[in-house]
Amino acid sequence: DAGVTQSPTHLIKTRGQQVTLRCSPKSGHDTVSWYQQALGQGPQFIFQYYEEEERQRGNFPDRFSGHQFPNYSSELNVNALLLGDSALYLCASSLSGTGNYGYTFGSGTRLTVV
Amino acid sequence: GNSVTQMEGPVTLSEEAFLTINCTYTATGYPSLFWYVQYPGEGLQLLLKATKADDKGSNKGFEATYRKETTSFHLEKGSVQVSDSAVYFCALSDTGGFKTIFGAGTRLFVKA
Repeated sequence: DAGVTQSPTHLIKTRGQQVTLRCSPKSGHDTVSWYQQALGQGPQFIFQYYEEEERQRGNFPDRFSGHQFPNYSSELNVNALLLGDSALYLCASSLSGTGNYGYTFGSGTRLTVV
Repeated sequence: GNSVTQMEGPVTLSEEAFLTINCTYTATGYPSLFWYVQYPGEGLQLLLKATKADDKGSNKGFEATYRKETTSFHLEKGSVQVSDSAVYFCALSDTGGFKTIFGAGTRLFVKA
C-alpha cells in the first residue's frame, strides 16, 4: 500500500521564480494538507484541500496557492519566491472526517531559494 | 487561538534511560492530541494519539495521557534505545480535523 508520495524530493529555484510541488495521497484518502517546515522548527499549516476546494488556510500570503484534482492528488504553487520560502514542504493526507485521528505524511520536498 | 508548547531540546540520554518530553496545549473545544516522530531526512510519522480526555495513547513502548485538567500530553518511554534518536513533535487537531498545529519539536539523542 503506497503511502503519500511527493515530487520532486529536492528543488533549487532563484528568487522571484515560481515553483509547483506535487503530492499523491495515501490510497483511500481524500483530503490533502500542506505544511511548511523551516529548519529546526515545527511544521506550519498552509492549507487543506477536500473535494477540490480549499477548506481551510493558515497564515500564508496569496503567493501560496494550491489545487486538488479529481483523483485527490494535489499541487502547491508558490509565486514570486523569496529567500525565506526555503524550507521542507510536507504533504499530509487523511480521510475526510478523520483528520482528528492523525495524518499520513510524505517525505517532503526540500526547496532552496537562492 | 490554539497552540502547543513542548520542552526545548536537545535531550540526551543513555540507552535504557527513562524518557519524558513535556507538552502542554491551549485549545478551545475538544481537540485531539498527537505525538509525531521525524527521523533525519524523512517526513513525520504518527507515533500515538488520544482523542478525548483521560485517553492514553501508546505505541512502540511510548505512551502519553490526555490530561484536560492540566492541559498536558507528556510523552514517556521506560527504556530508550539508540534507534529512538529523532525529533519528536507534539500536536493538536481541532475538532473537525481541518488543521493540526505542531509544537517546535524536541530533538532526542540516545547514546549507546
